[in-house]
Order: sequence, then C-alpha cells, then structure tokens
Amino acid sequence: QVQLVQSGAEVKKPGASVNVSCKASGYTFTNYAMHWVRQAPGQGLEWMGWIYAGTGNTRYSEKFQGRVTISRDTSASTLYMALSNLRSEDTAVYYCARGATPTNGNCFDPWGQGTLVTVSS
Amino acid sequence: EIVLTQSPATLSLSPGERATLSCRTSQSVSRYLAWYQQKPGQAPRLLIYDASNRATGIPARFGGSGSETDFTLTISSLEPEDFAIYYCHQRSNWPLTFGGGTKVEIK
Repeated sequence: QVQLVQSGAEVKKPGASVNVSCKASGYTFTNYAMHWVRQAPGQGLEWMGWIYAGTGNTRYSEKFQGRVTISRDTSASTLYMALSNLRSEDTAVYYCARGATPTNGNCFDPWGQGTLVTVSS
Repeated sequence: EIVLTQSPATLSLSPGERATLSCRTSQSVSRYLAWYQQKPGQAPRLLIYDASNRATGIPARFGGSGSETDFTLTISSLEPEDFAIYYCHQRSNWPLTFGGGTKVEIK
C-alpha cells in the first residue's frame, strides 16, 4: 500500500535550520507531485510548497520563499524539506503529502504521519 | 491569494444527525475544491475532491456539492467516528490554500 514515513521530531534554536525527510513506498515515486503542509499547535493547515518528483520542478508559497527548499532523491524515493532561519512561529507539525493522482497533483492523498519541529531557545 | 471561509466554526450534533458544513471562497475556484477530515493526533485524510468526488474508501454518507464560490460538505447520518475537524482546500490557484476548519463535536 502507499505509505509516506517521515523522520522524527526535532528541537531547534532560533536562527537554526531543520531538515525533514519523507520516504515513499508502494507506488512509482517519479509519477507524482509531492507537497509539504504545516500545522501550528491548535491551528489550521498551511501549504508550504510542491515538487514534481519526476522533474524536480518546485513551487513555493511566497510566505516561505527564500527560507524553504524542497528536494527529492529519486533513487531513494525520498522527499526532503529544509527550512532555514527558524523562529518560534515555525513551531509546528510538518506533513508531507502526495498528489492524489498523476493528473490531480494538487489534492493531498495520502499524508505522512507528521514531524513535530519545535523552535525554542 | 484565495481565502476560504468555513462555517460554522463548531457544529454540535448527535450521532445519527445530518451535518452540513459550508466553505466559501473569495473568488471562483470552479470545482477545484476538496475536503479533508482530521482527528486529534492524526494527519488529515482526503474525503472529497473536485467538489463532489469521494476519494477511495470514503463512505457514501459523505457528500460534496457546489461550484464557483460556494461549497457544502454533507454527512448524511453522523457515525461516532465522524466527530473531527473538517477542512476545505482549493487547488484552482497558487498558492494552494485551506479554510480555517469546522469542528464537528458531540452534542
């Protein structure tokens, strides 16, 4: 079955960077778009950016432009998200999500289990 | 960016009752609207895509309707496992955006 397994929780200091990974299995990795969505404690969902796993093309929310980098390793079927210059407001659960179908890449299905990133001095 | 406004913020209902959730968008998204369910401590799950299409494995009691700027998610008869937060999401324009959520709680 399709599965997305994310890396473990992180605690970072303000100004640091974090890297979160998301290993995909159960489907052809390069046929789908992949996204990162975050959720601050008790808050709603916020889309961060997208990569098409086949070509490596990316698109980012303007809110995170310059601070976020999404990449992938096709040989390992793994997605990555790097967020730099962390501040306390970046404390959130970060989710990876696959595009629902090859032709509907911008609905999210399935999702990874989430990675809690805590930014604290 | 397209703003999605969900109402009500909280819906208090009993099992077996019908739930009607609304999502309004600040500009037309055609039918490019999806609904997700999120339970505490879990990742969201896709329920409905393109306004009215149920995702794989989603029970028939979940239904979506609407177009342009007004959309509705209906749960015909609430089961105990349906009490959760529901988010709408548009994929018509970048950036992709979500509504603020509607919590369906047990009355």
